Amino acid sequence: GQNIDQPTEMTATEGAIVQINCTYQTSGFNGLFWYQQHAGEAPTFLSYNVLDGLEEKGRFSSFLSRSKGYSYLLLKELQMKDSASYLCAVKDSNYQLIWGAGTKLIIKP
Amino acid sequence: GAVVSQHPSWVICKSGTSVKIECRSLDFQATTMFWYRQFPKQSLMLMATSNEGSKATYEQGVEKDKFLINHASLTLSTLTVTSAHPEDSSFYICSASKPLAGEAGELFFGEGSRLTVL
Repeated sequence: GQNIDQPTEMTATEGAIVQINCTYQTSGFNGLFWYQQHAGEAPTFLSYNVLDGLEEKGRFSSFLSRSKGYSYLLLKELQMKDSASYLCAVKDSNYQLIWGAGTKLIIKP
Repeated sequence: GAVVSQHPSWVICKSGTSVKIECRSLDFQATTMFWYRQFPKQSLMLMATSNEGSKATYEQGVEKDKFLINHASLTLSTLTVTSAHPEDSSFYICSASKPLAGEAGELFFGEGSRLTVL
């Protein structure tokens, strides 16, 4: 079967750095996405990786290793508004999106 | 700004009634839209893929007669929950991707519709 694993919940301090990991086992790979979802709202796109390496976008960076089936989302200079769920999703060989269960990030002052 | 708009945001209905949710792509033509359902503290679950001008493709376990999908134009898809029951209460989200070459093909989501069936 196909599955995506990410931690259920993480806690970090305002101003700090946090890394949210995602491992995947899918039939084929056509890209990995990270989305942010605030409680009661729809997800919003954060990043896309299809080649190995690090993609940086402001305070957020995403890393991919296809050989390891592994990605992480790095959030720097954490702000209270970063409290949200972070969803990892992979496009398989049929270009279907397979979703992880999401990681709830709690930011403490 | 929003590229996919969903309406209504909230709906409360009595058991046995039908509810229609609309999803519009605002600045692009979406030949394909996706309908998701999300229960509290769970991830997104794909219900069906809506194809303009043809029948929707439903995921395993999703009743096509209960969740009617119509994609009559390139900018509008509707989901009708027929004879809703309390167990249908959930957060329903539509999405579409811009069909432009060279882009990641990320999904743009509507605002979501929270359905509560009494």
